[in-house]
Amino acid sequence: EAQVTQNPRYLITVTGKKLTVTCSQNMNHEYMSWYRQDPGLGLRQIYYSMNVEVTDKGDVPEGYKVSRKEKRNFPLILESPSPNQTSLYFCASSTKGGSYEQYFGPGTRLTVT
Amino acid sequence: GNSVTQMEGPVTLSEEAFLTINCTYTATGYPSLFWYVQYPGEGLQLLLKATKADDKGSNKGFEATYRKETTSFHLEKGSVQVSDSAVYFCALSALTGANNLFFGTGTRLTVIP
Repeated sequence: EAQVTQNPRYLITVTGKKLTVTCSQNMNHEYMSWYRQDPGLGLRQIYYSMNVEVTDKGDVPEGYKVSRKEKRNFPLILESPSPNQTSLYFCASSTKGGSYEQYFGPGTRLTVT
Repeated sequence: GNSVTQMEGPVTLSEEAFLTINCTYTATGYPSLFWYVQYPGEGLQLLLKATKADDKGSNKGFEATYRKETTSFHLEKGSVQVSDSAVYFCALSALTGANNLFFGTGTRLTVIP
């Protein structure tokens, strides 16, 4: 089954404790990205990757890091989480950019206390 | 810049009622336009899309027409069902540079029997 998986689905952590949210896709997609969803703001892009070893900032990259060492994986790293990073996070992938459909993972709900 | 303005929710309708969710956009160039749907506890999935002016996207009884003259992409359905209860997001892809999807804030639809 074609899918995007994320882990963990739920995470509660404390300020400053480094964490990683994993994302994996099995569709051989070149493009992957991370979004955060906040009430009243819709989804905003954090980082994206056009292919292996090619990443770039989205609209809200502060406080996040990413890497793309393999085509299928695109982890999101929070080196020192803060409460304003409490949010619902989605990973997405697509064949390419532009008008191609993006496939979304199920989401990771992160709470930073 | 690129942005999407979407009708505020929530929207509550009775089963078989007519649905319209308004969406207008601002973009440089000629974007692709999308409607994504998010069912409770799930990630977003593509509902329909249109890639050029006057295109009509349709799926599952939903329709939206790309209107360049009014910069709009309103979502419509003639007869909603309880199973259509979800959050609906209008989005655009600028087609320049990376595939950054710009999302509206989402409209929550509840259909009551």
